[in-house]
Amino acid sequence: QQQVKQSPQSLIVQKGGISIINCAYENTAFDYFPWYQQFPGKGPALLIAIRPDVSEKKEGRFTISFNKSAKQFSLHIMDSQPGDSATYFCAALISGGYQKVTFGTGTKLQVIP
Amino acid sequence: NAGVTQTPKFQVLKTGQSMTLQCAQDMNHNSMYWYRQDPGMGLRLIYYSASEGTTDKGEVPNGYNVSRLNKREFSLRLESAAPSQTSVYFCASTSGGLAGDYEQYFGPGTRLTVT
Repeated sequence: QQQVKQSPQSLIVQKGGISIINCAYENTAFDYFPWYQQFPGKGPALLIAIRPDVSEKKEGRFTISFNKSAKQFSLHIMDSQPGDSATYFCAALISGGYQKVTFGTGTKLQVIP
Repeated sequence: NAGVTQTPKFQVLKTGQSMTLQCAQDMNHNSMYWYRQDPGMGLRLIYYSASEGTTDKGEVPNGYNVSRLNKREFSLRLESAAPSQTSVYFCASTSGGLAGDYEQYFGPGTRLTVT
């Protein structure tokens, strides 16, 4: 059962452009939504995270937008750079008790010069 | 501080062979996890250990067993490898929400091929 749906599967963006990755979830008990970044040959690493009581969180060029009523959230990468080329995973978890994370299927981003 | 370490980095097995993937963390984390990563399917949870002495099945546990040896170490065993188990395996750990920290720290992965 895919509880977090992620799109697109792959994305090509020109340097300086905006990269947008979307996710939708089903379980309304989720209350913590992280994004992970994975470079080839490496393990994923936390990029940015948001709680549903906030509609937007920005860290540098990375912004999460959150729409609680639509059960959707998205990652925006402003001024995309070739160094941002990686696979991005959205995720969701219930923060109380044991935090089992449900991951999206990933988006492979390529930023071309 | 090495974080999460995994051994081996690469492994090729024949169908029916067994092996154990090792994972260790030096962050004093309570919870540890094993995932497999396949193209187009994201990260799928195989087994997890919420705390030392406990283990539970995740989304895709069939064909695998785990052992939480102590707080630092969490191993994954394939008793009789099958080609469907060809994948990249990641171990991860988390403090379990202490101080509001829900970050999962991942190891570098083990690339397993079963022929």
